[in-house]
Amino acid sequence: RKEVEQDPGPFNVPEGATVAFNCTYSNSASQSFFWYRQDCRKEPKLLMSVYSSGNEDGRFTAQLNRASQYISLLIRDSKLSDSATYLCVVTSEGDMRFGAGTRLTVKP
Amino acid sequence: GAVVSQHPSRVICKSGTSVKIECRSLDFQATTMFWYRQFPKQSLMLMATSNEGSKATYEQGVEKDKFLINHASLTLSTLTVTSAHPEDSSFYICSARLTLLGTQYFGPGTRLTVL
Repeated sequence: RKEVEQDPGPFNVPEGATVAFNCTYSNSASQSFFWYRQDCRKEPKLLMSVYSSGNEDGRFTAQLNRASQYISLLIRDSKLSDSATYLCVVTSEGDMRFGAGTRLTVKP
Repeated sequence: GAVVSQHPSRVICKSGTSVKIECRSLDFQATTMFWYRQFPKQSLMLMATSNEGSKATYEQGVEKDKFLINHASLTLSTLTVTSAHPEDSSFYICSARLTLLGTQYFGPGTRLTVL
């Protein structure tokens, strides 16, 4: 079983749509959780951290359920510029583990 | 935010040659640097973790004699792909971290193509 598993995707949505990504992790001792965004042929960039209480940053909302070992990312009012691969990242004792990523394409 | 650079950004080489990739933390001292590899349409896979002044810790399945890592200073780590073969063609990304639980900052990556 992979340490971090994500929706396989790809997601193709129209502009303005709401889209949700899910992620599960296997290590119950994991300490920190993040969503990264990776554009084609570029390095990953931190999108947002994920906290147990849930957190929001503009159109992006992240949720963490430690009991179920589940993380989600919700994007509202999708923009063309949101097209990218979204990586779920889990850390344990400082080591980062990446999910395979979910590709999102937002179309006009 | 912190900046990590990689050089070269792109390299094309012949099979059998060795390629060195540099990773530098430009405005902070990185106690730990990480090397990842990413094949097309796949996620980043951690290859090794290196701490300044000590030997790198390699992930299972990564040949330490093929992927030589040197972390001679707090701002520089190098990855040398020895006797590269076409199957080594990939996107190599480094990251640097200041403290144990601190944020990792990624370099822009190096695209290696072995002919």
